[in-house]
Amino acid sequence: QSALTQPPSASGSPGQSVTISCTGTSSDIGGYNYVSWYQQHPGKAPKLMVYEVNKRPSGVPDRFSGSKSGNTASLTVSGLQAEDEADYYCISYAGSNNFVVFGGGTKLTVL
Amino acid sequence: EVQLVESGGGLVPPGGSPRLSCAASGFTFSSYTMTWVRQAPGRGLEWVSAIGSGGGTTYYADSVKGRFTISRDNSKNTLYLQMNSLRADDTAVYYCAKIGGGYRFDPWGQGTLVTVSS
Repeated sequence: QSALTQPPSASGSPGQSVTISCTGTSSDIGGYNYVSWYQQHPGKAPKLMVYEVNKRPSGVPDRFSGSKSGNTASLTVSGLQAEDEADYYCISYAGSNNFVVFGGGTKLTVL
Repeated sequence: EVQLVESGGGLVPPGGSPRLSCAASGFTFSSYTMTWVRQAPGRGLEWVSAIGSGGGTTYYADSVKGRFTISRDNSKNTLYLQMNSLRADDTAVYYCAKIGGGYRFDPWGQGTLVTVSS
């Protein structure tokens, strides 16, 4: 069960946009439209931000958007705000054998 | 309100066998696949195990296969994780989560810390 690849860190100034990538294979990200993204603040449980590549749960600001191209999914945070500073994780369905694979996480810093 | 509350964590000696519980409320527990995810101190999230709505289908990460057993009691709206042969690298906060449509993990419980140490 290989992990999805995320950059360890990303940063941007308030009001700017930042994109976090999540690279997998044709057996996970490339094979299914079941990529989700989670935000985790220190000491807190993860929170769902995007699911099925580009859908937002109710209550999540539209500043958060997801996309996918081939074996790489991306999360874009627009109009960065201080409260967006957190760790972000991607998860992809990986078929009935492996079930799911996780990204290693990206620490987003708002400068 | 959908709520998941984990319990059963604590200090465990190497080789110990604690059982974690996750009490669910606010949704039809028996209709959803459930999962356990852990996070070692200062590290990222790691998927551990999942179980289908009826309990007949289970999935495990290679790191815990053969040592951990996931189960559920739909009459009690409770998910379990039986952990055996614990090692120091099993030290982590263990979260349970509900898996909804599109394999989304939502919501997550608050987590329970398992510390493996003598």
